[in-house]
Amino acid sequence: EIVLTQSPANLSLSPGERATLSCRASQSISTYLAWYQQKPGQAPRLLIYDASSGATGTPARFSGSGSGTDFTLTISSLEPEDSAVYYCQQRGSWPPLTFGGGTKLEIK
Amino acid sequence: EVQLLESGGGLVKPGGCLRLSCAASGFTFSRYNMNWVRQAPGKGLEWVSSISSGSGYIYYADSVKGRFTISRDNAQNSLYLQMNSLRAEDTAVYYCATWFGELPYSDHWGQGALVTVSS
Repeated sequence: EIVLTQSPANLSLSPGERATLSCRASQSISTYLAWYQQKPGQAPRLLIYDASSGATGTPARFSGSGSGTDFTLTISSLEPEDSAVYYCQQRGSWPPLTFGGGTKLEIK
Repeated sequence: EVQLLESGGGLVKPGGCLRLSCAASGFTFSRYNMNWVRQAPGKGLEWVSSISSGSGYIYYADSVKGRFTISRDNAQNSLYLQMNSLRAEDTAVYYCATWFGELPYSDHWGQGALVTVSS
């Protein structure tokens, strides 16, 4: 089973700042990684698929990069509505599909 | 507009059973592979099961294998999750979700159904 480790667990930044979220896989998954955003009381929303492709409706300030075992979600200039928990998920070796533990992003 | 509506959640005793339904509308359900994903209170996301568009491929997480059964009725635009031998650790919000095209990422999600397993 592929284990995904996200860091940091918590992140507190100000509007306009750049956020960098990390997801590390226990073994290589090529570029088969997605990022989701989940706000309180809502279902998750797919932001990025296959490491760097934006899903429909994903704002341009969100970008993904990485391959192999190390992946990054970057939010270039934070907006107040970006406050959420962000999860990564892999499809490189499945079943099972696995998720990371999440990064909680707070906008000060 | 794609809509997924889960139902059938509730309170059940350990060892009991429950059947979740997911009613799909706004898209051609029969063409989409589907996922069930759950989230325990205050915790992260956990994949539960996937089913292909024609039910030819079915996969389960080890944590539910042998206890849960995924199925679908394309004529009724519905997805199901039969949950037997429920345990306290199955307590979670259960989401149904479409695949993202041919990729097993979860694209469109329902609002979730809360399942609570407690005596």
